[in-house]
Amino acid sequence: GQQVMQIPQYQHVQEGEDFTTYCNSSTTLSNIQWYKQRPGGHPVFLIQLVKSGEVKKQKRLTFQFGEAKKNSSLHITATQTTDVGTYFCAASNFGNEKLTFGTGTRLTIIP
Amino acid sequence: DAGVTQSPTHLIKTRGQQVTLRCSPKSGHDTVSWYQQALGQGPQFIFQYYEEEERQRGNFPDRFSGHQFPNYSSELNVNALLLGDSALYLCASSFLVTRAYSYNEQFFGPGTRLTVL
Repeated sequence: GQQVMQIPQYQHVQEGEDFTTYCNSSTTLSNIQWYKQRPGGHPVFLIQLVKSGEVKKQKRLTFQFGEAKKNSSLHITATQTTDVGTYFCAASNFGNEKLTFGTGTRLTIIP
Repeated sequence: DAGVTQSPTHLIKTRGQQVTLRCSPKSGHDTVSWYQQALGQGPQFIFQYYEEEERQRGNFPDRFSGHQFPNYSSELNVNALLLGDSALYLCASSFLVTRAYSYNEQFFGPGTRLTVL
């Protein structure tokens, strides 16, 4: 079945530093979604990427979808304490809502 | 507009028992998916319901079963509980994708934390 790997597993950064998490698949993805899960919370949808090479921005967050549609990244500029949580990528196929989640990257911020 | 709701929030059971978890989808949504999230891991797809039928299923044994009601709410049942079933069970709702090359965002509920002793 489809597998999605994420690196790193953990990331500790000083407040104000940048943060990046990478998502990789051995197969071509129809689309990729990103979710944030706060400690003790549930996954919250951030964004969906569909097109090859697509780049989307949400304030300090930048999302990219690789040209081959096999990888994706999430970059946060100038992290804040509110960014704490685990970031998951999730892949799905068109016409199929089943999400295959990545292993997640847990971000902690050092004030 | 209420989002996805789940009950109960926490549950403690012993091995061999049976459990039923409940989910009410976001208003207007017709599709419910269930996920299991073990501690420190990403959510794993269990199954999905649409029009009261199981539409897709992940790699979970038959001990995991579900149901969807005419009002789109759903139940997840787990029989013969094992210690390894301890996890956060998440329900996600969405519209069914009906057009090719389209996808609909899923909204997750707060989850039910199941502990099996």
